[in-house]
Amino acid sequence: GNSVTQMEGPVTLSEEAFLTINCTYTATGYPSLFWYVQYPGEGLQLLLKATKADDKGSNKGFEATYRKETTSFHLEKGSVQVSDSAVYFCALSIRGTSYGKLTFGQGTILTVHP
Amino acid sequence: DAGVIQSPRHEVTEMGQEVTLRCKPISGHDYLFWYRQTMMRGLELLIYFNNNVPIDDSGMPEDRFSAKMPNASFSTLKIQPSEPRDSAVYFCASSYKQGEISNQPQHFGDGTRLSIL
Repeated sequence: GNSVTQMEGPVTLSEEAFLTINCTYTATGYPSLFWYVQYPGEGLQLLLKATKADDKGSNKGFEATYRKETTSFHLEKGSVQVSDSAVYFCALSIRGTSYGKLTFGQGTILTVHP
Repeated sequence: DAGVIQSPRHEVTEMGQEVTLRCKPISGHDYLFWYRQTMMRGLELLIYFNNNVPIDDSGMPEDRFSAKMPNASFSTLKIQPSEPRDSAVYFCASSYKQGEISNQPQHFGDGTRLSIL
């Protein structure tokens, strides 16, 4: 089946530190990959996506590269801010499915201190 | 543009009562999803609709749960009777098919936090 595994959390960083949240996946077909972010009290928001191998998704200083050879889609940011504190979800969707079902990882809680 | 709108934002009720959660998807979106989020199980897909028709309800936990979509701009998720273990945050999301559906993100509402006492 399809699955997404994220690094264990929570992650606590100081402002301006470098962030990496690991994400690996297994897929029965060809996946599109997503990172969603959930701020406290809100729903999930799309942060970035990549739809084919070697694509790099980027948004708000966050980046992730679709690595087919290592089945990974790690999220990175060079300098985090307190406002980046949130829960981050890696997810995949398989091409050719009838509705684009999302398979989510368990989520990683990020806390950034001033 | 307005996003996905859910109501109520919070619901506290006693065990055995009927609970109805509401969702208004983004206009023009033809897919609608209901999720449940708990600490123990994370995000679970309960049911999804395409063009107002339920396509897959295999994630609905029990017969106590039911969902409807009477038109393109409204959906409900009903729990009757409710139980304490139903306490969770329930999200509605919508998307549309443009090209390859797997490339399209889902747009989530802010959720309904449900507490069953």
